[in-house]
Parts: sequence; structure tokens; C-alpha cells
Amino acid sequence: GQNIDQPTEMTATEGAIVQINCTYQTSGFNGLFWYQQHAGEAPTFLSYNVLDGLEEKGRFSSFLSRSKGYSYLLLKELQMKDSASYLCAVMDSNYQLIWGAGTKLIIKP
Amino acid sequence: DGGITQSPKYLFRKEGQNVTLSCEQNLNHDAMYWYRQDPGQGLRLIYYSQIVNDFQKGDIAEGYSVSREKKESFPLTVTSAQKNPTAFYLCASSKGQGGADTQYFGPGTRLTVL
Repeated sequence: GQNIDQPTEMTATEGAIVQINCTYQTSGFNGLFWYQQHAGEAPTFLSYNVLDGLEEKGRFSSFLSRSKGYSYLLLKELQMKDSASYLCAVMDSNYQLIWGAGTKLIIKP
Repeated sequence: DGGITQSPKYLFRKEGQNVTLSCEQNLNHDAMYWYRQDPGQGLRLIYYSQIVNDFQKGDIAEGYSVSREKKESFPLTVTSAQKNPTAFYLCASSKGQGGADTQYFGPGTRLTVL
């Protein structure tokens, strides 16, 4: 079966760095997406990785290792507004998105 | 200002009633999607449409129906056959030109069955 695993909840301190991991087992691979979702709101697109390596976009970076079925989202210089859920999703061989349950990130002052 | 709108934001329904959730986009996207989000679970695909007048069932289509008569609109009907309809419903769209498309989401409709 297809499976996406990510931690349920993480806590970090304002100004610090946090890494949110995602491991996956899917039928084929056409890229991995990260979305941010504030409570009760729509998911918003953060990043897309299809090749191995690190993609940096401001305070957020995303890493992919296809051989290990592994990705992480790195958030630097954490701000209180970064408190949200972070969703990992893999596009399978049929170009359908398979979603993880999300990681709730709590930022403390 | 382009985007996706969903209405209403909150919806209450009595058991046994059908209800229709609206989704409109002005991004000129070909593809549209409906997902359901429940606590502690990933998004689950209900229906999707790659082009006007065509749509396919997703993983959990039972108890739901859709139509795609216009490119901009993809309404979802939650029928009385859906056994556990209380959830957060998200509509999304993408360019739909094949390949790995980024999906963009509307603000969602929270449906509660009383």
C-alpha cells in the first residue's frame, strides 16, 4: 500500500531552527510537495522537489532523497506565525497526490 | 485577483438531507479536485475533473456526486448516502496540462451533520 509518515506534533522556540521529516512508500514517484496549513484554513503551497537535493526558498528549505524515500522541511529563524500544520504529499505514478496526516508545529516564545 | 472560492464557510445539515458545496475558480485552470480532511488523517480525494464535462472518482467517492458543466465551477453534493459526512471539505485546482501540477486550494467548507 501507499504510505506517508510524518511526526504528529513538534514544538520549537521562536528564532530557532526546526526540521520536519517525511518518509514515504508509494506506487511510483513524480515529486514531493510541502504545504502549510493554519488551523481552519486552506493549505498553501511551500515547495516541490522531484530531484535529490536541497531547495532553498527564503527561511524555508526542502530536501529530498529518492533512494531513501525521505524528505524534510527546514524552517529557520522561526516566527510565531509559523505555528501551523505542515503537510507532506507525494505525487504517485498516476499523478495523484498521496497525503501525510500533517505535522502540527507549535512555536513557543 | 485570481483565486478559488468556496461557499459557505460553515454548513449545518440534518441527517437525511442532501447538501451542495460550491467551488469556483478564476485561475483558468483545467483541473479541479475535491478533498475531505478529518482530524489525524491526510487529505482524501473524493472526485477530480481534468476537463469540462468529465470527472473521475477518487478514493472515497461513495455518497458524493459532482458536476463540471463550466470550467470555473465544480460543485460537490454530499448525499444522504454518505454515512459520516461531518468533515472539512477542500476544493483545489491546477493547470491540468499533464505532469506534476501544483494544486491550489480554496478556503474550505466545514460541514456538520446534526
